Amino acid sequence: AQKITQTQPGMFVQEKEAVTLDCTYDTSDPSYGLFWYKQPSSGEMIFLIYQGSYDQQNATEGRYSLNFQKARKSANLVISASQLGDSAMYFCAMRAIQGAQKLVFGQGTRLTINP
Amino acid sequence: EAGVAQSPRYKIIEKRQSVAFWCNPISGHATLYWYQQILGQGPKLLIQFQNNGVVDDSQLPKDRFSAERLKGVDSTLKIQPAKLEDSAVYLCASSLVGGRVNEQFFGPGTRLTVL
Repeated sequence: AQKITQTQPGMFVQEKEAVTLDCTYDTSDPSYGLFWYKQPSSGEMIFLIYQGSYDQQNATEGRYSLNFQKARKSANLVISASQLGDSAMYFCAMRAIQGAQKLVFGQGTRLTINP
Repeated sequence: EAGVAQSPRYKIIEKRQSVAFWCNPISGHATLYWYQQILGQGPKLLIQFQNNGVVDDSQLPKDRFSAERLKGVDSTLKIQPAKLEDSAVYLCASSLVGGRVNEQFFGPGTRLTVL
């Protein structure tokens, strides 16, 4: 079974600062993918970034980067130069590479950017 | 490219009534997912279709929930009869088959309130 743990229910950050959202995972699958999604108050889940378990480098997408530490089973999201529009719920999720493609989500972290 | 469409956006019913939600995935996406997101939690997969076949419905409460995907395109999720604990946002997502990332694209969701 797969499990995602996000231990930060809420985070408050000043605009333009960097922020790290924590995510640890547990799985018995040899190959897996890790995802981060953003959910604004409108409710839609927006894909941010992906990391494959066998990728050699940490993933980056614009201001988002994923700090992947396989031995520690962690996949933290780093947002650089935070903006007011970054205020939202953030979910870490994973899926196995083989078999069913369902995503298993964590509980989420509510990020608030203060001006 | 049009996104995943869902309707209705909001629905309020009384317990023991029935309700149906509709989802139209992104054109060409063979895989369709229904998730249930209870307030304060991450989404949980209810059912996954590939074309019009069910891939995973292990977490679908089959005594009251049903879903179909006729012709491998649109899908309908039904609850009959509804219980108070069914109050949640129901998210539909779709994805391509194959590919390295194969991210899921989510619709805006249907917020169900059961009184």
